Amino acid sequence: EPEVTQTPSHQVTQMGQEVILRCVPISNHLYFYWYRQILGQKVEFLVSFYNNEISEKSEIFDDQFSVERPDGSNFTLKIRSTKLEDSAMYFCASSQPGRTEAFFGQGTRLTVV
Amino acid sequence: GENVEQHPSTLSVQEGDSAVIKCTYSDSASNYFPWYKQELGKRPQLIIDIRSNVGEKKDQRIAVTLNKTAKHFSLHITETQPEDSAVYFCAASGLGLTGGGNKLTFGTGTQLKVEL
Repeated sequence: EPEVTQTPSHQVTQMGQEVILRCVPISNHLYFYWYRQILGQKVEFLVSFYNNEISEKSEIFDDQFSVERPDGSNFTLKIRSTKLEDSAMYFCASSQPGRTEAFFGQGTRLTVV
Repeated sequence: GENVEQHPSTLSVQEGDSAVIKCTYSDSASNYFPWYKQELGKRPQLIIDIRSNVGEKKDQRIAVTLNKTAKHFSLHITETQPEDSAVYFCAASGLGLTGGGNKLTFGTGTQLKVEL
């Protein structure tokens, strides 16, 4: 069964450093998303991406965040200057046009120290 | 924007009993309501979903009901088993209403514990 894959599974970074989280969505999906989940809290929407551009973003997704689809398979989330409060599990998801289900990756746990 | 409230935050039941988790949403334009199960340290996994043109949907031991007028929906698990223990999240989405695909607004989660 096809699945969304994310790398790395765990990333530790120093405050102020840049991190790139990587995702490979399911191959025939055209909508891509990033969500985050702070430990013990709910899953929060960050951004959706379609047709090579951001289609919607939340207030969490400020100027320190960016997304990119550098090639035909990868979808990345960049955090330019990490803060302690960016520590969370980051989930990538993808979905097909006209289909309801969003498939989630296994997540990247980001720890900012 | 959409706001989803979920109750209870924790729920303990005896094996074999039923469990009910309730959610309310604020945006009457939302039209898609999935439920996700998340085991510790793992990804959220869709267990059942319902669209706004349907009032109830059932899949084996799991059912979801939707009351559009009251803007609430519920997850019902019957004959609970220990492997049902997990965190359950409801979510709401306005499918097709924006260019954003399937942006999900999640509830705060319910920790379900099924005791032997």
